[in-house]
Amino acid sequence: EDQVTQSPEALRLQEGESSSLNCSYTVSGLRGLFWYRQDPGKGPEFLFTLYSAGEEKEKERLKATITKKESFLHITAPKPEDSATYLCAVQARGNEKLTFGTGTRLTIIP
Amino acid sequence: DAGVTQSPTHLIKTRGQQVTLRCSPISGHKSVSWYQQVLGQGPQFIFQYYEKEERGRGNFPDRFSARQFPNYSSELNVNALLLGDSALYLCASSLEGSPFRNEQFFGPGTRLTVL
Repeated sequence: EDQVTQSPEALRLQEGESSSLNCSYTVSGLRGLFWYRQDPGKGPEFLFTLYSAGEEKEKERLKATITKKESFLHITAPKPEDSATYLCAVQARGNEKLTFGTGTRLTIIP
Repeated sequence: DAGVTQSPTHLIKTRGQQVTLRCSPISGHKSVSWYQQVLGQGPQFIFQYYEKEERGRGNFPDRFSARQFPNYSSELNVNALLLGDSALYLCASSLEGSPFRNEQFFGPGTRLTVL
């Protein structure tokens, strides 16, 4: 069974303090690993797709990386507007289903 | 272009009632998936439909059912509501058939409260 574990559950950072969020996964043939951002009471917003170990994607202050067992979301010099829950999900080959972790709730303090 | 739309935004029901939630995918997307998100948890997969056919089903009881229409919109039905069905119900649409265009884009969700 596909599994995703995210850590930490919650993270508080000062504005400008860089850090990384972790996503450990097991999947029977990776089709894709996805990062989403979710604001309270809203649907997840797509950020990145990673397909294979060694791949990297960047968007503004966010950078996602992946190995065969885990993915990291690096946040550089975060701003208060980066505060949200960040969700990681995997999709197995031959399947549309996304298996999500429970998310990391990130708070950036001005 | 409009994103995924869902209706209603909020819904309050009592135990034992039935509810229907609606979703319109992004134009050109033929696949629709439904997820349930309980507060503090990640979304849980309920169903996936493609070209009006069920392609996947998660570990949910038979009280949950869905269908997809010729215009690719979809409905999720839940019968005999329980308190534990209170959650945010999310619809996601995607392009099916391409290994490198499989991102799922989510709607704003329907917040269901069962009293």
